[in-house]
Amino acid sequence: GAVVSQHPSWVICKSGTSVKIECRSLDFQATTMFWYRQFPKQSLMLMATSNEGSKATYEQGVEKDKFLINHASLTLSTLTVTSAHPEDSSFYICSAIQGGDTQYFGPGTRLTVL
Amino acid sequence: GENVEQHPSTLSVQEGDSAVIKCTYSDSASNYFPWYKQELGKRPQLIIDIRSNVGEKKDQRIAVTLNKTAKHFSLHITETQPEDSAVYFCAATLGSNFNKFYFGSGTKLNVKP
Repeated sequence: GAVVSQHPSWVICKSGTSVKIECRSLDFQATTMFWYRQFPKQSLMLMATSNEGSKATYEQGVEKDKFLINHASLTLSTLTVTSAHPEDSSFYICSAIQGGDTQYFGPGTRLTVL
Repeated sequence: GENVEQHPSTLSVQEGDSAVIKCTYSDSASNYFPWYKQELGKRPQLIIDIRSNVGEKKDQRIAVTLNKTAKHFSLHITETQPEDSAVYFCAATLGSNFNKFYFGSGTKLNVKP
């Protein structure tokens, strides 16, 4: 149980375009989802907290207009990187909470912006 | 906000030896401390966790200890095996916001056969 999927697993896009990443909880309803960013050989940096039906809460330094988060249902949250630039290239990972303490992570999405 | 520090950044041990990874946190209200294992290019996997009302927890070869007074917690892996090689992250909750937690910088563990 407690499986989280992400789509796509990797994406390459041109600078200036927007990219949408989906995070789904497959076998449970997620009250809260989180989005992280991870640079090579570095830790996971929390970007935002997403609650179903409400606006996401962004961490300090994360541009909410740049990283649009939509949590339309209890099983789906999306992260849209708008007007992507090469510096946005990274590994984006989501996680979901089933109702307890544990965060279950998705497999991640590797974004490369050319 | 919460600040989690993790040491060492890299750790190399011989198969069969023990490995210890340490983390400190800054927010005394933190009350949940999970440890995750991440293999290259894969998702972090929870391996063990501990709550603030417990001082130690063990699961087979893995154990975690918590010292609330000193605000540090440690991961102990005994009888290490090559498949234990990975990056390990500690995390701590941020005060009363139980679900929101911050990660340490990670420890790359290499178990030599």
